[in-house]
This record gives sequence, structure tokens and C-alpha cells, in this order.
Amino acid sequence: DAGVTQSPTHLIKTRGQQVTLRCSPKSGHDTVSWYQQALGQGPQFIFQYYEEEERQRGNFPDRFSGHQFPNYSSELNVNALLLGDSALYLCASSYSLGAQANYGYTFGSGTRLTVV
Amino acid sequence: AQSVTQLGSHVSVSEGALVLLRCNYSSSVPPYLFWYVQYPNQGLQLLLKYTTGATLVKGINGFEAEFKKSETSFHLTKPSAHMSDAAEYFCAVSDQPGGYQKVTFGIGTKLQVIP
Repeated sequence: DAGVTQSPTHLIKTRGQQVTLRCSPKSGHDTVSWYQQALGQGPQFIFQYYEEEERQRGNFPDRFSGHQFPNYSSELNVNALLLGDSALYLCASSYSLGAQANYGYTFGSGTRLTVV
Repeated sequence: AQSVTQLGSHVSVSEGALVLLRCNYSSSVPPYLFWYVQYPNQGLQLLLKYTTGATLVKGINGFEAEFKKSETSFHLTKPSAHMSDAAEYFCAVSDQPGGYQKVTFGIGTKLQVIP
């Protein structure tokens, strides 16, 4: 059973460009959360998607947007890239309802974004 | 609001020695607490979690943590370090137990195991 799959694994972009990162959740999971992990820092919550809608959002600007598809997969979009957006972007999937919701997150291996 | 403070960004122990990684939390509601491990170039793996009930929680790879409400602490321990334990460890807190959770992470502690 595949876990959480993220693509691409590495990406280099230029300041001002736009980027799209993709996440396929673990089979059966219906909720996707995105985190940004800057070098030497803990992961910071960006937002969470459930039933194709953004349910919760962290303290990130509107340049960060997302989408969830009917098959529960998700995309993270970042516009007008800044050097400070360089980080590891982690996707985590989970169940939202029922007893299985208590299992918590399953994380992907992340996408390493470098902005030059 | 909730937050986590991890004391010590780097910890070194000898192989076979006790591992102790410190975590203090702040939460306005009864917290749900987690420890995650991250190996280089990988995502985070859940070691253990405290939701309700027994305050001593046992996790994978021989790790355990004790929830102490009076001290607002959730320190991670392992009796005997192994070389494979070298990794970065994150303490985290949430105000919800399940899939709705927005988890707040600490800054992390890098564990070095010396042969």
C-alpha cells in the first residue's frame, strides 16, 4: 500500500516565477495538509484541504494557494516566488472522520524547492 | 494558541547511553502531544503520541515519553542509544486528536550518537 507520494522531489525556480507541487495521499485518506520546513526549522502549517475546500490556514500570504481534487490528491501553488520560499514542502494526509481519524498524519518525503 | 519549546537544538550521546530529549508545551486546552523523527531527505515519521489516559506513552524503536501536566512537559527518552537513532526529532502539539488537527511543531533537536 503506497504511502503519501509527492512530486517532484527537487525543484529549482527563479525569483518571481510560479510553482506547483503535487501530493497523492495515502490510500483511503481524505484530508491533505501542507507544511513548509525551512532549513533548520520545524515544519510550519500552510493549510489543510478536505472535501475539496480549504478548511484551515496558517499564517502564510495569499501567494500560497492550493487545490484538492475529487480523488483527494492535492496541489500547492506558490506565485511570485521569493528567495525566502526556499524550503522543504511536506504533504501530510489523514482521515478526518471516524475512529481512524485518531491515527493522525502520514507524511510524504517532501519536495525540496530552491529559489534562485 | 499553542506552542512547543524544544530545549537543545543538538544533543550528543554515546552509543548505549540514555537518550533524553526535552519538550515543553503551551496550550489553552488539554493538549495532544506527539514526537516525530526525521531522517535526512525524508519526511516525518510518528514515534509516539499522547491523547488521553496513561501519561507514559510507549512508541516505536524503544522510545517512550511521559506527559507531565504540572510541568507542561513531554520529554522523550530511550534507555540505550543505537547508531540508527541519529536523526532529527520534533515535538509537536495539537488541540485536536484526529484528522482535523493542525499540528504545531517545535524547532527540532538533532541527535548525534557517538560510537
